[in-house]
Amino acid sequence: GAVVSQHPSRVICKSGTSVKIECRSLDFQATTMFWYRQFPKQSLMLMATSNEGSKATYEQGVEKDKFLINHASLTLSTLTVTSAHPEDSSFYICSVASTEQFFGPGTRLTVL
Amino acid sequence: QQQVKQSPQSLIVQKGGIPIINCAYENTAFDYFPWYQQFPGKGPALLIAIRPDVSEKKEGRFTISFNKSAKQFSLHIMDSQPGDSATYFCAARLAAGSYQLTFGKGTKLSVIP
Repeated sequence: GAVVSQHPSRVICKSGTSVKIECRSLDFQATTMFWYRQFPKQSLMLMATSNEGSKATYEQGVEKDKFLINHASLTLSTLTVTSAHPEDSSFYICSVASTEQFFGPGTRLTVL
Repeated sequence: QQQVKQSPQSLIVQKGGIPIINCAYENTAFDYFPWYQQFPGKGPALLIAIRPDVSEKKEGRFTISFNKSAKQFSLHIMDSQPGDSATYFCAARLAAGSYQLTFGKGTKLSVIP
């Protein structure tokens, strides 16, 4: 299966600042990646589908101007949380679509 | 509308027991059903998956049973170990080339020594 990394694994930021999370596909050229958010003791909630070279497709209720996704290459997608607020604190997970969906290790975002 | 219903929400078994986690779906357009295992603070990892033309699939201690007519599938863990303690998610994927998954709400399994 595909090996997926995320950076950083943990980030703490102040309210109002922006945070960038990287998702890398280490051994597979991924035209499609997914971004999820997971609150404590809850399931994964799909935020958006990231397509290489084109605009991301956002799920209903996800603000595209707040959660900026860039999929500039076949191995890298980035999620930028702009003007972060405490309610954006969550576990963000990306996945790569190959034969299956393979998930990254996640990024814990804490907004103070 | 929750398209994949998972139960129970939590489960405690003794070491060596056989926990069973159940999922049900409504959309007959789903054609692929994976199970994921997630440890705290980690991303989900694919455990085992099944297609609806098969009634059972076994990989090591993990078995999926699939009932197409009832639109239900379940995960059985044989000879469970404390290291199996994790949250398990069932999921379903639509046909026609989509990789997008619909997840159940998860089951937190605790295997006590």
